[in-house]
Amino acid sequence: SQTIHQWPATLVQPVGSPLSLECTVEGTSNPNLYWYRQAAGRGLQLLFYSVGIGQISSEVPQNLSASRPQDRQFILSSKKLLLSDSGFYLCAWTLRGQGKETQYFGPGTRLLVL
Amino acid sequence: AQSVTQPDIHITVSEGASLELRCNYSYGATPYLFWYVQSPGQGLQLLLKYFSGDTLVQGIKGFEAEFKRSQSSFNLRKPSVHWSDAAEYFCAVGRYSSASKIIFGSGTRLSIRP
Repeated sequence: SQTIHQWPATLVQPVGSPLSLECTVEGTSNPNLYWYRQAAGRGLQLLFYSVGIGQISSEVPQNLSASRPQDRQFILSSKKLLLSDSGFYLCAWTLRGQGKETQYFGPGTRLLVL
Repeated sequence: AQSVTQPDIHITVSEGASLELRCNYSYGATPYLFWYVQSPGQGLQLLLKYFSGDTLVQGIKGFEAEFKRSQSSFNLRKPSVHWSDAAEYFCAVGRYSSASKIIFGSGTRLSIRP
């Protein structure tokens, strides 16, 4: 069966510091991968998605970037964190198929920027 | 452009009572639809999904949802709620695309009255 991992689970960072959040998927190959941000009391905003190694699509302009160095690894980064980057970051995956696959979510990373 | 509206931000029901959470979508073609549940501090868990066929779909934990094309709705129901159902519920709509992207509603927080 497939499993999705995210780490760290919780992170407290000062403003201006760098960020690296990691997401890995086990038990599948060639998944589509997604990064979402959920602000407190809000819905989910799609930040990035990837349909293959090195292929990153950005949904909204922001202070963050994403990379996919390996098939089942998706990384969310920032060079300098802003207060507004605080939130709950969720990674998700789907099978690569007919274009209407179900997304499955990881446990999330809570980021607090002070 | 596709969108999802969950008109109820917060609902409180008594344990054992029936539940209906509303979801309306806007999409120019036949959508595919999801309901997810999120417990505090956790990732999202898929409750059920509709792609085609029977408009009444059954999900996990005793939930069901009905797709009504004429009303552009996909409401979630449960005949008798349990205290463990207290959580945030998200409706989502997807469009056929190579990236299987989906759009989430803003969520409905469900509280259970003992």
